[in-house]
Amino acid sequence: AQSVTQLDSHVSVSEGTPVLLRCNYSSSYSPSLFWYVQHPNKGLQLLLKYTSAATLVKGINGFEAEFKKSETSFHLTKPSAHMSDAAEYFCVVSDQDSNYQLIWGAGTKLIIKP
Amino acid sequence: EAGVTQFPSHSVIEKGQTVTLRCDPISGHDNLYWYRRVMGKEIKFLLHFVKESKQDESGMPNNRFLAERTGGTYSTLKVQPAELEDSGVYFCASSPGDVYGYTFGSGTRLTVV
Repeated sequence: AQSVTQLDSHVSVSEGTPVLLRCNYSSSYSPSLFWYVQHPNKGLQLLLKYTSAATLVKGINGFEAEFKKSETSFHLTKPSAHMSDAAEYFCVVSDQDSNYQLIWGAGTKLIIKP
Repeated sequence: EAGVTQFPSHSVIEKGQTVTLRCDPISGHDNLYWYRRVMGKEIKFLLHFVKESKQDESGMPNNRFLAERTGGTYSTLKVQPAELEDSGVYFCASSPGDVYGYTFGSGTRLTVV
């Protein structure tokens, strides 16, 4: 069965420093992987998606993620954090075993210190 | 293009009452999904419509939950009677044809007291 583990419930970084949000997944098949973001009082917004093309995926707002099959990881990074990045981030997996439902991680709250 | 609209944005009801959540998908999107996040837990799938038909309702927690999608347009999710453990945020999403094209609404925050 598929699962997603987000290794940190909270991550705190200073503005202008790099961001790393960690995600490990399990899947029996070639998965589709996503990162979603939810800003306070807003809906879920797709940041980026991996669909078996390039392993390095670029998303919106300067975020990117690298699919590493050998490590079953899909970590989200950004070179320089901005105050507007403060939000909750979700790693998501989907594959044929889940009937293409989205399987969500528990979320990581990103805190940006001025 | 209008996005996915959910109504109401917040609802506070007493245990035992009935609540109906509504979702208006993006026009032309045949696929409509409901997900929810209860307090402190992961977001979980509830069900999937293709047009007016229920494609997958394996995530519906029990028979107190009833989802409909009349005419393949908007969808409603009724909880009757509501219990305390139903509190959470209910998200709706639509897509034209596959998992890559999900667009989510802003969610309905349901509080059962």
